[in-house]
Amino acid sequence: QKEVEQNSGPLSVPEGAIASLNCTYSDRVSQSFFWYRQYSGKSPELIMSIYSNGDKEDGRFTAQLNKASQYVSLLIRDSQPSDSATYLCAVGADTGGFKTIFGAGTRLFVKA
Amino acid sequence: DAGVIQSPRHEVTEMGQEVTLRCKPISGHNSLFWYRQTMMRGLELLIYFNNNVPIDDSGMPEDRFSAKMPNASFSTLKIQPSEPRDSAVYFCASTRDPYGYTFGSGTRLTVV
Repeated sequence: QKEVEQNSGPLSVPEGAIASLNCTYSDRVSQSFFWYRQYSGKSPELIMSIYSNGDKEDGRFTAQLNKASQYVSLLIRDSQPSDSATYLCAVGADTGGFKTIFGAGTRLFVKA
Repeated sequence: DAGVIQSPRHEVTEMGQEVTLRCKPISGHNSLFWYRQTMMRGLELLIYFNNNVPIDDSGMPEDRFSAKMPNASFSTLKIQPSEPRDSAVYFCASTRDPYGYTFGSGTRLTVV
């Protein structure tokens, strides 16, 4: 059973701080990794994708991937109250057809 | 691009009735996914299609659920007969190549 594990939170950080969200996965052959943001009552929205070891930065977001440790993280710098949402880690399953396994999500609260 | 279009946005039905959810994927996307989301179980993959062909329906809860994709621009998820435990938000998502998904706005189903 391929799994993606996340701490459900809630994770609470003050405005302006760095929020660190973590995710582990079980399938060693996974090649694609994603972070989605889901506001309450809305659909998930893709915010970051990463395919190789190391860091990938996009604005205030940095995704980090370590395939040897089977670990993915998302850092949000200068956190804003508008970043308050559930963040879903997703891992591409190596089965063709682009199936993705989602974690349960981490709820983030950014306090003003 | 209009994104992934789902209808209806909300559906309230009585137990035992047939429910049909509809999805129009983004043009050019060759994979389509049906997910169900509840507070207790998170995002569950029900079925996915690649080039209109069902690839994996192992997530379909039981025979009451069926899905079709008659062409590249339309898919349906049908529940017959519906039960109160089917109440959830149902998302359709599409993608092209090994990239992340674009989700529709979802259908909130309530079975009373």
